[in-house]
Amino acid sequence: NAGVMQNPRHLVRRRGQEARLRCSPMKGHSHVYWYRQLPEEGLKFMVYLQKENIIDESGMPKERFSAEFPKEGPSILRIQQVVRGDSAAYFCASSPSGQVSNQPQHFGDGTRLSIL
Amino acid sequence: AQSVTQLGSHVSVSEGALVLLRCNYSSSVPPYLFWYVQYPNQGLQLLLKYTSAATLVKGINGFEAEFKKSETSFHLTKPSAHMSDAAEYFCAVSPSGGSNYKLTFGKGTLLTVNP
Repeated sequence: NAGVMQNPRHLVRRRGQEARLRCSPMKGHSHVYWYRQLPEEGLKFMVYLQKENIIDESGMPKERFSAEFPKEGPSILRIQQVVRGDSAAYFCASSPSGQVSNQPQHFGDGTRLSIL
Repeated sequence: AQSVTQLGSHVSVSEGALVLLRCNYSSSVPPYLFWYVQYPNQGLQLLLKYTSAATLVKGINGFEAEFKKSETSFHLTKPSAHMSDAAEYFCAVSPSGGSNYKLTFGKGTLLTVNP
């Protein structure tokens, strides 16, 4: 029973390039969340998606960042024109519903993004 | 806005000793509370959660936590540390209302266990 799958595990980009991070939720989970972890910080909520819908993107930077969760395929977090400050670990979580009280979020192993 | 404070970024204990990791939260209404563990280069694994049922919550790997509303605390304990407990521990809070999917994490406490 596969957990939340994220790829790549490590991604290196040069400043100005695009980064695409992928997340396949656990089987049966239709709710996906993205979090960012800066060095020596806790995880920060970025965005909450259901299939084909963005439910809450209040934690997303206003520019260069976008997320989608298409009807078919994984969720994608896209960062355009990356800068050094984007270097972080990006975690995806999934759940069967949006209610954490009885269905907690399950996390993937993350993508470590490094910007040269 | 909710927030979480974890006292002590680094805690070191001897194998077999008591583990106590502190977490205080700030919230206008009683929230949901969680403890997660993160091993190096891995994702977060849920240890336990408080969602307004019993105030003493038992989790996996022998950990437990007690919700104390008067102290706005949710400290994590384990009676006897094992070497395998060495990891980073995160306390998290979410609103008990509509947006309870939005977890707010503390900065984490790195636990080292000495032989």
